[in-house]
Parts: sequence; C-alpha cells; structure tokens
Amino acid sequence: AQTVTQSQPEMSVQEAETVTLSCTYDTSENNYYLFWYKQPPSRQMILVIRQEAYKQQNATENRFSVNFQKAAKSFSLKISDSQLGDTAMYFCAFMRLSYNTDKLIFGTGTRLQVFP
Amino acid sequence: ETGVTQTPRHLVMGMTNKKSLKCEQHLGHNAMYWYKQSAKKPLELMFVYSLEERVENNSVPSRFSPECPNSSHLFLHLHTLQPEDSALYLCASSQEYGGRVKTQYFGPGTRLLVL
Repeated sequence: AQTVTQSQPEMSVQEAETVTLSCTYDTSENNYYLFWYKQPPSRQMILVIRQEAYKQQNATENRFSVNFQKAAKSFSLKISDSQLGDTAMYFCAFMRLSYNTDKLIFGTGTRLQVFP
Repeated sequence: ETGVTQTPRHLVMGMTNKKSLKCEQHLGHNAMYWYKQSAKKPLELMFVYSLEERVENNSVPSRFSPECPNSSHLFLHLHTLQPEDSALYLCASSQEYGGRVKTQYFGPGTRLLVL
C-alpha cells in the first residue's frame, strides 16, 4: 500500500523569505502522480502544483516549485518570496496512474505560518 | 472558488438525527468523491462515484449513505451518527479520461459536529 509522510507538522517563515516543505512517499509503482494541495483557513483545498513521475524536470508554478527525487521517493515543495496569503495547511498527495477512478493518498499536512 | 460547492457549511446534529450533506460541481466533471478530514489525520477517502456509479466504498460504516443522482450532484445521507464522526467532510470532483492525470478539485467542506 502507498503511504505519504510529511514529517513537519508546523513551519514558519518570514514574508519574502523562502521555505521548503518536505514529503516522502512509499510505493512500488513506477507510474504515478504527486500533488501539493493548499488549504487556507477558509478550508477550500486548492491545487498548488503537480508532478508526473515519468517527467524528470521538476514542476514549477510561479513562486512554487518542487524538488522531485524519484529514487529517494521525495517530493518537497519550495515556496519563494513567501506572502501572507501563503499561510495555510499544505498537503502532499500521491495518485497511482490507472485507467480507473483514482484514489488520492494524502499526508497528514504541514501547517505553514507566514509572518510579516 | 465556486467550481465545487457544498451545503451546509456547518451542521450540528444529535446521534438520533437524520441529515444530508450536498455537493454540487459546476466543472463538467464525471467523477465525484467524499472525503473525511479529522484533526491530525490524513484525509480519508470514503466514496467514489464515476459516471454516477459507485466504484469505491472504503469500508465506511453503513450510517453513511451516499447518493449520486447525476454527474453534477452528490449527497451524503447521515443517520445515527457517533461523536467520533465529527469532522470536516470534503467533496471533490474530477474528469475521467482513462490513464491520464485526473486532478481533483475540492469543495469548501461541511464542518459536522455530532453531539
């Protein structure tokens, strides 16, 4: 069974600084997807970034980028130039590639606080 | 975000009550999901509907009963719940197209408190 581990329950960063959230996962699959979701205090879960395992290039979305290390089964999220609006719970998630309906496996989340 | 809506946003119910949670997606998706989010635990997948058919029931107690009348609407009927069922219930939707990444989009959730 796949598992996702986020070892940092809480993180804090000062506005405009850079922060990295860690995520490791365990799977025997070779083809899969990885996601970072953000859940602000308003509770709407929002997709931040996703990575296809077959792609060697790390995904980037504006200030958000990932460091995907497939052999190490590591998928960290880097937030550059942190903003107050980045304050939220961040969830790492794994999805196996299949032709059927997919199951997202989530980590326990990291609470990020951005300070002025 | 208005792609996936959920009502009510907050619900307090006694253990003998019967209530329903509603989810509606406006994204043209054909798969919908119910998740349970409890404090300090990963999100737990409860039910999956694809093309209005239930394709996964993740060992959820029978006091939770899902219904998917069409591809845009999903309900979760609740009866004789227990206090440990208090949690945030999240709905999500995605577009199925076989073998391609299917990003799930989430609603704002219903905060449920069982007394």
